[in-house]
Amino acid sequence: KAGVTQTPRYLIKTRGQQVTLSCSPISGHRSVSWYQQTPGQGLQFLFEYFSETQRNKGNFPGRFSGRQFSNSRSEMNVSTLELGDSALYLCASSLAGGLLDTEAFFGQGTRLTVV
Amino acid sequence: AQSVSQHNHHVILSEAASLELGCNYSYGGTVNLFWYVQYPGQHLQLLLKYFSGDPLVKGIKGFEAEFIKSKFSFNLRKPSVQWSDTAEYFCAVKGTALIFGKGTTLSVSS
Repeated sequence: KAGVTQTPRYLIKTRGQQVTLSCSPISGHRSVSWYQQTPGQGLQFLFEYFSETQRNKGNFPGRFSGRQFSNSRSEMNVSTLELGDSALYLCASSLAGGLLDTEAFFGQGTRLTVV
Repeated sequence: AQSVSQHNHHVILSEAASLELGCNYSYGGTVNLFWYVQYPGQHLQLLLKYFSGDPLVKGIKGFEAEFIKSKFSFNLRKPSVQWSDTAEYFCAVKGTALIFGKGTTLSVSS
């Protein structure tokens, strides 16, 4: 079956601009989580969506937002980009996102560079 | 709040050496524990997981981990590493959300 698909794979933006990243989860998965990966900081949790509702949120400023559609696809948006937002953004999908989940599956990520 | 601490930032080993990567977590409730691996240029993939039962769990490629509840630890081990184990390893804890540690880069020389 198809894995988690993230688009685009690479993105270069200018400071102050906004960006939207997309994630298509594995068919049947209803939970989508987003992470920011940077060298030395590991994967920092941004937020989790389940059935179109944000269920959990990490410690990121309000410039970072997301949403989930009825087909479970998710988008995340970063407004007023800063140089420090340069990172690999990862999306993970799982069946339900709760403790009964056995595994989260990750996409290849979107590499965002802010110049 | 949940948090995960990985003790080693970068580990360098020769082939056939034994490996142990430390992981401690902080969370007051029931957790599921995971180790994920990220090979160069590849996406994150699950190495092993602990939900309940036997605290010693075995994963793919000869890796194992031991959950010690009293120490809030979930250390990863492998008796003999190979060059192909060169990768970044992440410990993760799932309570209310799946939270990762900062990762350990393992470099294995042949």
